[in-house]
Amino acid sequence: EIVLTQSPATLSLSPGERATLSCRASQSVNSYLAWYQQKPGQAPRLLIYGASNRATGIPARFSGSGSGTDFTLTISSLEPEDFALYYCQQRNNWPITFGQGTRLDIK
Amino acid sequence: EVQVVESGGGLVQPGGSLRLSCAASGFTFSNYWMGWVRQAPGKGLEWVADIKHDGSEKTYLDSVEGRFSISRDNAKSSLYLQMNSLRAEDTAVYYCARDYGRSYDPWGQGTRVIVSS
Repeated sequence: EIVLTQSPATLSLSPGERATLSCRASQSVNSYLAWYQQKPGQAPRLLIYGASNRATGIPARFSGSGSGTDFTLTISSLEPEDFALYYCQQRNNWPITFGQGTRLDIK
Repeated sequence: EVQVVESGGGLVQPGGSLRLSCAASGFTFSNYWMGWVRQAPGKGLEWVADIKHDGSEKTYLDSVEGRFSISRDNAKSSLYLQMNSLRAEDTAVYYCARDYGRSYDPWGQGTRVIVSS
């Protein structure tokens, strides 16, 4: 099983700042890495697929990068609605696995 | 609008059974892999099962293999999860989702399953 480790567990930033979230895989997942945003009481929403492709309707301030074992989700300038939980997920090998999440809090 | 809507959750005793359903609309259901993902209270996301577009391949999380069964009816654009021998640790919100570029999109709103006596 591929283990995804997200860091940091919690990130406290202010609106307008840049956020950098990390996801590290225990073995290569090639580019089959996705990022999701989840707000309280809501279903997850796909942000990035294939490591760097923005999903439909996702603002350009969200970007993804990386391949192999190290991946990054960057939010260039935080908006108030961006404070939420973020998960990475790999689909290179079965079982599909998710990271434990990074909570993005308002500072 | 592309969407999926789950139903069928509820309260069930340990050892009991439940069948979840997921109704898809806005896309050609028979062209896509589909999956179930769950989230226990206060916990992260956990993949449960996936099924190929024609139903010929199914994969499961080890802890549910032999107890859960994923299926689909392409004529009805519907996905199912038959859950037997339920345990307390199966308590979660269960989400249905379409496979999209080896990710999941969209997700339904989820259906809550509580396993308790």
